Amino acid sequence: EVQLLESGGGLVQPGGSLRLSCAASGFIFSSYSMSWVRQAPGKGLEWVSTISGSGGNRYYADSAKGRFTISRDSSKNTLYLQMKSLRAEDTAVYYCAKDLAGGFPGDAFDFWGQGTVVTVSS
Amino acid sequence: QLVLTQSPSASASLGASVKLTCTLSSGHSSYAIAWHQQQPEKGPRYLMKLNSDGSHNKGDGIPDRFSGSSSGAERFLTISSLQSEDEADYYCQTWGTGFWVFGGGTKLTVL
Repeated sequence: EVQLLESGGGLVQPGGSLRLSCAASGFIFSSYSMSWVRQAPGKGLEWVSTISGSGGNRYYADSAKGRFTISRDSSKNTLYLQMKSLRAEDTAVYYCAKDLAGGFPGDAFDFWGQGTVVTVSS
Repeated sequence: QLVLTQSPSASASLGASVKLTCTLSSGHSSYAIAWHQQQPEKGPRYLMKLNSDGSHNKGDGIPDRFSGSSSGAERFLTISSLQSEDEADYYCQTWGTGFWVFGGGTKLTVL
């Protein structure tokens, strides 16, 4: 059974940093691209970043470029999102998601975690 | 620019059927999409991947009541025999090389 469990969310001041983690199980982690998607309060889903199974290809939404870094550790089956220079508008629930098909990134997300809440406020 | 358009809301009666629409922006009618369901206070759940020819593959455990179809740039999600637990937000998703896009979502109310 595929399971994705996010952690690391919390309250952080504007300009601060936070690292989110997503522990994966139930599939061959290194074979699948993984992504972060966020949802601001009362809003829809917004893609944030994706990393290939090997970690060699990384993609970012414009809102994340230069401030967020996606990474993965296949020895720990864990996906990360390092966030810096956080702004109020980064306040959201952050979900990790697994790519439907293995191989090069570019497919639907077929499993989602339960999310971790990030609040950026002074 | 690849954009997905969804109606903000829809409603249908318990036991009835409803058809939700996701429209791809001009020039992108060949793109596949995915449908996701988000029940209140829960994370999203993958329903299906829907191709331009209407073929689709559903996620694990998704009931037969959920089906997909396509026509031109429109992608549809039909839910039959509506149940109370189908009241949720429904999002469509698509992707290109190095980017992923979500529609604004449709809030389905089961009357």
